[in-house]
Amino acid sequence: AQSVTQLDSHVSVSEGTPVLLRCNYSSSYSPSLFWYVQHPNKGLQLLLKYTSAATLVKGINGFEAEFKKSETSFHLTKPSAHMSDAAEYFCVVSGPTGTASKLTFGTGTRLQVML
Amino acid sequence: DTAVSQTPKYLVTQMGNDKSIKCEQNLGHDTMYWYKQDSKKFLKIMFSYNNKELIINETVPNRFSPKSPDKAHLNLHINSLELGDSAVYFCASSQEGESPLHFGNGTRLTVT
Repeated sequence: AQSVTQLDSHVSVSEGTPVLLRCNYSSSYSPSLFWYVQHPNKGLQLLLKYTSAATLVKGINGFEAEFKKSETSFHLTKPSAHMSDAAEYFCVVSGPTGTASKLTFGTGTRLQVML
Repeated sequence: DTAVSQTPKYLVTQMGNDKSIKCEQNLGHDTMYWYKQDSKKFLKIMFSYNNKELIINETVPNRFSPKSPDKAHLNLHINSLELGDSAVYFCASSQEGESPLHFGNGTRLTVT
């Protein structure tokens, strides 16, 4: 069985300051992990993915995430927030074969960026 | 060109009606999915189809039925709509055995 917990339902930052969105996972095998972003009235878009290669994963729009097995975490970070980053972010864990049909989504974190 | 397109974008209907949502992907993927997103943004998989074979069917009422005329299309039919069916429905596709998913922009279904 696998599960994912997003520790904050809402995060608010000022433009130009760092972003940290937290995600912890539980899995009985080596998982693949993903972050997706959903802008208002849009579908989900892949930000980045971890599939047992490098533990620090770089994604689009300046985001990156670090896989920490000892902490079962996969937190998403960005050095400097931009207004366009305001959206809903989902942490996702997949099954052992990485098949999309076994994806488990977190409950989402809403990122608000203030001027 | 839009990779995964679904229509309509908005659907408002009354309880008891039957409706369909269409989905098409032009990515050449061999697996397509339907997800339901509730008012709290929670995403739950409903169905997936691989080469015209249903490979996932979570605890979804049998009022919901996916129909795939070919590899590029997966339509969702809903019979006897209920208030609780109100949600945003997302179509997605992927290559079998690989992620990530490519999502459509969603269909907001409102049942009155």
